[in-house]
Amino acid sequence: SQQGEEDPQALSIQEGENATMNCSYKTSINNLQWYRQNSGRGLVHLILIRSNEREKHSGRLRVTLDTSKKSSSLLITASRAADTASYFCATDARLKSGGSNYKLTFGKGTLLTVNP
Amino acid sequence: SAVISQKPSRDICQRGTSLTIQCQVDSQVTMMFWYRQQPGQSLTLIATANQGSEATYESGFVIDKFPISRPNLTFSTLTVSNLSPEDSSIYLCSVEIRMIPYEQYFGPGTRLTVT
Repeated sequence: SQQGEEDPQALSIQEGENATMNCSYKTSINNLQWYRQNSGRGLVHLILIRSNEREKHSGRLRVTLDTSKKSSSLLITASRAADTASYFCATDARLKSGGSNYKLTFGKGTLLTVNP
Repeated sequence: SAVISQKPSRDICQRGTSLTIQCQVDSQVTMMFWYRQQPGQSLTLIATANQGSEATYESGFVIDKFPISRPNLTFSTLTVSNLSPEDSSIYLCSVEIRMIPYEQYFGPGTRLTVT
């Protein structure tokens, strides 16, 4: 089943406003990560939150995780035109107990447009 | 982190031909991954490549269509064989950084268009 479903699919805001994107997933996870992709290029890792963490900050980014609801949110404060990109959440699950084998499953992404 | 490069950055190929994509990392990594991103879609894992062993393919992807090489700890190739227009996608490689917690870092991607 699909992990990491983001909503909204698209979000358009004005520069200076805050942007909130949500992600839901279906099975237990070890970590949840957020990535940014500019216009069909490579992904940039933004932030990782562990399953035992509830909130994490990095600069203008704030990520929350609610494992009881299997959901996460990414908040970008004081948005800039350069924040225009697609944002993906990705969940991981270990394939072998105690091993390093795991895979990431990506959601469909939120296309954020920040208008100057 | 790691610096990852991919070649080519983009290509236009005719159906029935093949394209080999190279992924180079500036440090030794154990795990490398290949993803496909179809137009307007999210990323789908094709396979996981460990150095010195056969790649592990995800459901829906087979070695005959997507052969992978992993000759050393800094390099991997993905070949997309017998191309059809449905193979038009962005192909990305990523690497696992072996620290806790595990993170993946991505190359810039290869945009393939099949005509």
